[in-house]
Amino acid sequence: GAVVSQHPSRVICKSGTSVKIECRSLDFQATTMFWYRQFPKQSLMLMATSNEGSKATYEQGVEKDKFLINHASLTLSTLTVTSAHPEDSSFYICSASTGESYNSPLHFGNGTRLTVT
Amino acid sequence: GENVGLHLPTLSVQEGDNSIINCAYSNSASDYFIWYKQESGKGPQFIIDIRSNMDKRQGQRVTVLLNKTVKHLSLQIAATQPGDSAVYFCAEIRTGNQFYFGTGTSLTVIP
Repeated sequence: GAVVSQHPSRVICKSGTSVKIECRSLDFQATTMFWYRQFPKQSLMLMATSNEGSKATYEQGVEKDKFLINHASLTLSTLTVTSAHPEDSSFYICSASTGESYNSPLHFGNGTRLTVT
Repeated sequence: GENVGLHLPTLSVQEGDNSIINCAYSNSASDYFIWYKQESGKGPQFIIDIRSNMDKRQGQRVTVLLNKTVKHLSLQIAATQPGDSAVYFCAEIRTGNQFYFGTGTSLTVIP
């Protein structure tokens, strides 16, 4: 089945630094990737939709200059949390769609636990 | 944003009993729905899906029911096992293949 790999699984950084999270589709080409954020004991909140070769579409309330998304190839999307602050600490999850057809299940990575100290 | 600031409801069931997890969705235009299982520290895993032209779909030990009239989705797990303990989310899919997740339910199976 389709596999999505997310790296790193955990990262601790100091306040004010930037962190890059990678999301790769290992055995399929992902025309669209999605980035979610999840707080403890809460649901997944869609942050942005990323299409290969074009600018990401951000959900309302998500700062695009804070959360930089790059989808440079059909197998890789990156999320960079710029000038991270403790309130950015969260679980970030990516997912990918093959785009073969409308309404196909998303495949999720295993998430990245970001802790900003 | 969607589903922000909501805390997970919990459900505890005895091993071997059936579990029913409910979900209310918000957009009547959504025409595809998926149930996901999320174990601690991991990403969601696909369980079962259903399209809006159906009201019931069965998988292995799981059944999904869709009631479009009241915008309600349920997941039934038969003969619940300890390995079923996890958080379960329903997702509604809207135009552009964008997935929006429900609140989620934390299922604990008591051996």
